[in-house]
Amino acid sequence: IAGITQAPTSQILAAGRRMTLRCTQDMRHNAMYWYRQDLGLGLRLIHYSNTAGTTGKGEVPDGYSVSRANTDDFPLTLASAVPSQTSVYFCASRGGNTEAFFGQGTRLTVV
Amino acid sequence: KNQVEQSPQSLIILEGKNCTLQCNYTVSPFSNLRWYKQDTGRGPVSLTIMTFSENTKSNGRYTATLDADTKQSSLHITASQLSDSASYICVVSAMGNAGNMLTFGGGTRLMVKP
Repeated sequence: IAGITQAPTSQILAAGRRMTLRCTQDMRHNAMYWYRQDLGLGLRLIHYSNTAGTTGKGEVPDGYSVSRANTDDFPLTLASAVPSQTSVYFCASRGGNTEAFFGQGTRLTVV
Repeated sequence: KNQVEQSPQSLIILEGKNCTLQCNYTVSPFSNLRWYKQDTGRGPVSLTIMTFSENTKSNGRYTATLDADTKQSSLHITASQLSDSASYICVVSAMGNAGNMLTFGGGTRLMVKP
């Protein structure tokens, strides 16, 4: 693994189903983030984690939960997916005040 | 509320031409400003970073400027190439290391045509 990896790359999900988007980084960055990117709205922060064991809510947290059991992994869970959660999801990590490194994104379609 | 506004929203130019993208921000306390390039279907990648004391910084054909007094930044692309077609996102970081300290602009979608 080099950098930050997301899985899956794309997914079609039935409404009401539970889904976990995975994010792993090997740069030992303390901070990790989940964003969603929708046309015309740019990147919006869902949840973040400043360090392992801590998480915080971003701009659009409703319907999503996260956990940070260790430094490397930051999964995002949709407990019961709804069509409005159709989006492209980006995970990012940052060490100190350096640039944020982004994953390749997960394209999620809720039908 | 911290905000980052970019203009134009979209831009079409011919290959070989120059262009300038704008970013206005109201983020406090200001730490730094980065321009990211996002190719279609990919995650954003950092092009350049500007700190409070820097006015101009170049990265190849990309030149970023920062006016901390007026809270404006620009990204100038010289001799555009087809591969410059992408979205360009201005991201402003506030002091501190909290997760919600990055504010993203909506991006400028650039299309370079042959």
